[in-house]
Amino acid sequence: GQQVMQIPQYQHVQEGEDFTTYCNSSTTLSNIQWYKQRPGGHPVFLIQLVKSGEVKKQKRLTFQFGEAKKNSSLHITATQTTDVGTYFCAGHTEYGNKLVFGAGTILRVKS
Amino acid sequence: EPEVTQTPSHQVTQMGQEVILRCVPISNHLYFYWYRQILGQKVEFLVSFYNNEISEKSEIFDDQFSVERPDGSNFTLKIRSTKLEDSAMYFCASKRGNYGYTFGSGTRLTVV
Repeated sequence: GQQVMQIPQYQHVQEGEDFTTYCNSSTTLSNIQWYKQRPGGHPVFLIQLVKSGEVKKQKRLTFQFGEAKKNSSLHITATQTTDVGTYFCAGHTEYGNKLVFGAGTILRVKS
Repeated sequence: EPEVTQTPSHQVTQMGQEVILRCVPISNHLYFYWYRQILGQKVEFLVSFYNNEISEKSEIFDDQFSVERPDGSNFTLKIRSTKLEDSAMYFCASKRGNYGYTFGSGTRLTVV
């Protein structure tokens, strides 16, 4: 079945450093979504990417969707303590009706 | 901002008992989902529901699981005979069209 891999599993950065998490799907995706889950919270939708090679920005967050629509990345510039949480990518296949989540990257920020 | 509401927030049940987890999706949303997350692990798809029927389900969603939309607002997940390994956070989610999902705050199910 469809698998979505995400690395790294865990990253601990100094406040002000950059952070990147990478997502790779075993199958071509129709879209990829990114979610943030604060400790003890629920996944909160951040963004959806649909087009091959698409790049979107939200303030300090930059999201990319690969040309082959099988991989994606989230880059945070100059992390802040409010960025702490687990970042999940999740993808839909062309004909699937389910959103499959990656394992997530846990981000910790030292102030 | 509209929310997906889940009740209860925490349920403790004895192994073998039935539980019903309740969700009120956002009112103009058309697609409904149940996911679960075992502590510290990934968010796993259970079932999707559209137009009053299941549209897709995972291998986890076996005969012990069922979903219902008994009225125009509620969306329930029933586990008929709970097992220890059913202990997890269960999230309900809904969406309107081809966009992001809105997740509820979850129900923490503990089977003892």
